[in-house]
Amino acid sequence: DAKTTQPPSMDCAEGRAANLPCNHSTISGNEYVYWYRQIHSQGPQYIIHGLKNNETNEMASLIITEDRKSSTLILPHATLRDTAVYYCIVSDPHTGTASKLTFGTGTRLQVTL
Amino acid sequence: EAGVVQSPRYKIIEKKQPVAFWCNPISGHNTLYWYRQNLGQGPELLIRYENEEAVDDSQLPKDRFSAERLKGVDSTLKIQPAELGDSAVYLCASSPGQGEEETQYFGPGTRLLVL
Repeated sequence: DAKTTQPPSMDCAEGRAANLPCNHSTISGNEYVYWYRQIHSQGPQYIIHGLKNNETNEMASLIITEDRKSSTLILPHATLRDTAVYYCIVSDPHTGTASKLTFGTGTRLQVTL
Repeated sequence: EAGVVQSPRYKIIEKKQPVAFWCNPISGHNTLYWYRQNLGQGPELLIRYENEEAVDDSQLPKDRFSAERLKGVDSTLKIQPAELGDSAVYLCASSPGQGEEETQYFGPGTRLLVL
């Protein structure tokens, strides 16, 4: 699986949009971009995933560049409860019956008042 | 719907002692994962089950770690004997195992401290 690069930490004011970048320059054509987050003392939680088109759900939006070498996770109105470590993962779900996720160290997002 | 259940939540043992962790996946999920998460790191896959078959155990230290998933539902991860370096959070996850692009659902983890 391709590797990803994320900034180790970011701050965001409550109510503002949080934009978390991820570089995945060696991504292959079959690999999807997944985002998970991990709130302190909890297990990781799925947020969103995409292949090439931008995606949006009730939690976030995922913007993937046209060349697919980078992506941005957008939390439109961050709250204190969004404080967590955010993991960007690329994975090919077609290699087996389930996606194999390789977590890096992620981005620690701190939302402040 | 209940999520992935793990027990115990916390465990403190002395080195060389055995320890076991239990996981109950989401009902109907065929795929089950065990991860280990060291402090400040992301989770690392130890073993993946499809029903009762271990299909990926390449990262499981087989000299001291063992796992089983009898009847393809609950799973147990065991360490015997435990070493100081085994202190970590052990996470269980499950997924439906019936299609592509599926997501994984994680339990809260078991925090192990080996003294």
